[in-house]
Amino acid sequence: QKEVEQDPGPLSVPEGAIVSLNCTYSNSAFQYFMWYRQYSRKGPELLMYTYSSGNKEDGRFTAQVDKSSKYISLFIRDSQPSDSATYLCAMSLIQGAQKLVFGQGTRLTINP
Amino acid sequence: NAGVMQNPRHLVRRRGQEARLRCSPMKGHSHVYWYRQLPEEGLKFMVYLQKENIIDESGMPKERFSAEFPKEGPSILRIQQVVRGDSAAYFCASSPLVRPYEQYFGPGTRLTVT
Repeated sequence: QKEVEQDPGPLSVPEGAIVSLNCTYSNSAFQYFMWYRQYSRKGPELLMYTYSSGNKEDGRFTAQVDKSSKYISLFIRDSQPSDSATYLCAMSLIQGAQKLVFGQGTRLTINP
Repeated sequence: NAGVMQNPRHLVRRRGQEARLRCSPMKGHSHVYWYRQLPEEGLKFMVYLQKENIIDESGMPKERFSAEFPKEGPSILRIQQVVRGDSAAYFCASSPLVRPYEQYFGPGTRLTVT
């Protein structure tokens, strides 16, 4: 079993829709949770990071962490064609926070 | 551009040759990380370095791979005697000193072994 599971998709939604991207994990010691966006043939771009449980909002993006369920989510409101990319979740421990463990990534397409 | 820089962006090597990948961290960052992304797989941690020190190399293959971050100059990931299975995208990231989980990635080097 992988430490971090992420549905690879592909996920296709119409422009303007609310998108929900999710990851589950097995190691309850993970404390830092990150979301990255990766365009084709580019490097991952850090979107948001959160510590422990709770929500964090940044513009159209909201990250949620539910540690009791070992489940994290990224919501994108008013999705745009420019949001079409692969979204990667990542997480790390407090001790050893430098070692990010990534999900496989979900490929998202926003259709105009 | 004060982002993480990597070069070359594309590298083609024949089996048995050496590959050298370079990374300059974001300005103000002193921590460097290397990750590998195989086709259809997620990013895998390889090594974490500070200037002149390897802090965590738990993700590095035991043979043929080495990394350094000298006092002056970029960090280098070196792969000796490359094999076809080394073909992948190699990404470098850097972070602020006090938030090692806040990693910013470079554009990557795509290594192709023929």
